[in-house]
Amino acid sequence: KAGVTQTPRYLIKTRGQQVTLSCSPISGHRSVSWYQQTPGQGLQFLFEYFSETQRNKGNFPGRFSGRQFSNSRSEMNVSTLELGDSALYLCASSISTGRDNSPLHFGNGTRLTVT
Amino acid sequence: GENVEQHPSTLSVQEGDSAVIKCTYSDSASNYFPWYKQELGKRPQLIIDIRSNVGEKKDQRIAVTLNKTAKHFSLHITETQPEDSAVYFCAASINDMRFGAGTRLTVKP
Repeated sequence: KAGVTQTPRYLIKTRGQQVTLSCSPISGHRSVSWYQQTPGQGLQFLFEYFSETQRNKGNFPGRFSGRQFSNSRSEMNVSTLELGDSALYLCASSISTGRDNSPLHFGNGTRLTVT
Repeated sequence: GENVEQHPSTLSVQEGDSAVIKCTYSDSASNYFPWYKQELGKRPQLIIDIRSNVGEKKDQRIAVTLNKTAKHFSLHITETQPEDSAVYFCAASINDMRFGAGTRLTVKP
């Protein structure tokens, strides 16, 4: 079974621009969660999608948004980029929602650098 | 949302020694506690998990204990090896999964 696939692997953007990251979950997994990873901050929860609906959202500004398609693939968008948005963005899929306590399977991440 | 604290942030042990990482959580309704290992430049990978109806779980050299009353859980690695060197994350889940800040474990040969 193919793992979680994230594209692109690396992105360099300028302040003020917007960016879209993509995530394809493991086949059969219906839940997709997004995390921001920065040194010393661990994995900060952004949001979770299940069956095309956002189920939960972390404490990030509205510039961070996402969506999920009918095939469970998910995209994350960040508008009006700031230098502090530079991070590794990890996507994780699971069979069911967070309420059902399924393990997360992570992708390799997208490394975003904002200059 | 759930808040997870993890200690220590760095841990250095000699090969063959044991390593213990501790986490506390804030929401008593959390009922699932996984641990992830992230090697340099790689994705986090699940190494062991425990549910709230179990107090301890073991898998070869690793074990996890859970104290629901105190709202803390711990990862124990025995007979550490250099390949155990990585960043370890604990997490607690109720509606979504929240992670601790991570522990960088270094095992010196």
